[in-house]
Amino acid sequence: DGGITQSPKYLFRKEGQNVTLSCEQNLNHDAMYWYRQDPGQGLRLIYYSQIVNDFQKGDIAEGYSVSREKKESFPLTVTSAQKNPTAFYLCASSTGDYNEQFFGPGTRLTVL
Amino acid sequence: GQNIDQPTEMTATEGAIVQINCTYQTSGFNGLFWYQQHAGEAPTFLSYNVLDGLEEKGRFSSFLSRSKGYSYLLLKELQMKDSASYLCAVMDSNYQLIWGAGTKLIIKP
Repeated sequence: DGGITQSPKYLFRKEGQNVTLSCEQNLNHDAMYWYRQDPGQGLRLIYYSQIVNDFQKGDIAEGYSVSREKKESFPLTVTSAQKNPTAFYLCASSTGDYNEQFFGPGTRLTVL
Repeated sequence: GQNIDQPTEMTATEGAIVQINCTYQTSGFNGLFWYQQHAGEAPTFLSYNVLDGLEEKGRFSSFLSRSKGYSYLLLKELQMKDSASYLCAVMDSNYQLIWGAGTKLIIKP
């Protein structure tokens, strides 16, 4: 079955540590996205990539980094520079600009 | 600035009809999406409107008025499994999705 996988579902880290969230898709989608979801707020775009080896900052990129070395994979690193990293992180992909985005199950990151 | 407004929470009765409204002010418009999100899970796509009018898909319908910057999602014959958050998102002139905070829908027996 085609879909998007994110791992792990729950992640705990100590303050000051970098952590990488995995996102893999086998839908053959060109575009991939990372969002952050906080209670009472809409999804906020962190980074997006429309093709391999290229990505752009979203609205809240500070303290995060990404890579897109393969079409299927778009990992997100939450660095120690991110002031408030505890959140629910969602990865999504789509075939193109006009099309709906398909979401992975999300990773809930808690920084202690 | 860009803004999407939708009610924070709504309550409805099983078997009834509910309408969830969404108003938007964005830089450009390339369509409006509705997603359903159960607690702790991923959003799933419900509908897409780019032209004015009503799109019907089973128990769910979505309406758009571009001149008023307004959309609604209509859910008929409510079932307990429809208890979820409903997210409205507008694609702006840069083809980025601007998301509302979501409407939590509570269904009572």
